Amino acid sequence: QKEVEQDPGPLSVPEGAIVSLNCTYSNSAFQYFMWYRQYSRKGPELLMYTYSSGNKEDGRFTAQVDKSSKYISLFIRDSQPSDSATYLCAFRGYNKLIFGAGTRLAVHP
Amino acid sequence: NAGVTQTPKFRILKIGQSMTLQCTQDMNHNYMYWYRQDPGMGLKLIYYSVGAGITDKGEVPNGYNVSRSTTEDFPLRLELAAPSQTSVYFCASSFSGGGSTDTQYFGPGTRLTVL
Repeated sequence: QKEVEQDPGPLSVPEGAIVSLNCTYSNSAFQYFMWYRQYSRKGPELLMYTYSSGNKEDGRFTAQVDKSSKYISLFIRDSQPSDSATYLCAFRGYNKLIFGAGTRLAVHP
Repeated sequence: NAGVTQTPKFRILKIGQSMTLQCTQDMNHNYMYWYRQDPGMGLKLIYYSVGAGITDKGEVPNGYNVSRSTTEDFPLRLELAAPSQTSVYFCASSFSGGGSTDTQYFGPGTRLTVL
């Protein structure tokens, strides 16, 4: 079983749609959960992080963590063409991060 | 404040050639990392360093070497390039190795092709 599973997509949605991106993980020792956004031909940048079960909201973005199910989600409300990117979930391990494969998202006008 | 810079941006190597990918950060971060990113495979950690003079292997270290003589620089060396090393390489840095302060900041990447 892979330590982190993330659907690679691609996901194509119309502008204004609600987007749901998901990852599952197997290591119950993970305490910090992150979402990175990566635009084409750029390095990833941190979008959101959380360290507890529940929801964390930042503008149009909501990160959700369910530790009992080992499942995390990122919701994007009112998606914009500028949200078109690859979204990578990441989990804190010992001295390092473990990344998911990334989901490519395209938001078309 | 440039953040994390990487050179070169692109490189084509022949099988068996060697090269060094350069990485510099100006944020006085203790931790630095090298990742490779293959299509659909996410980021795989090659090597990391927790401070000057200290390095450790990541998930995929074979075929690579690193050194960390200063806080700012963390070069990645490929000794005998192979087609399997064709990838995009990202350098990253962070202040510490854990906790909510541990945001990793990434460079723009180096696209390497080995033919």
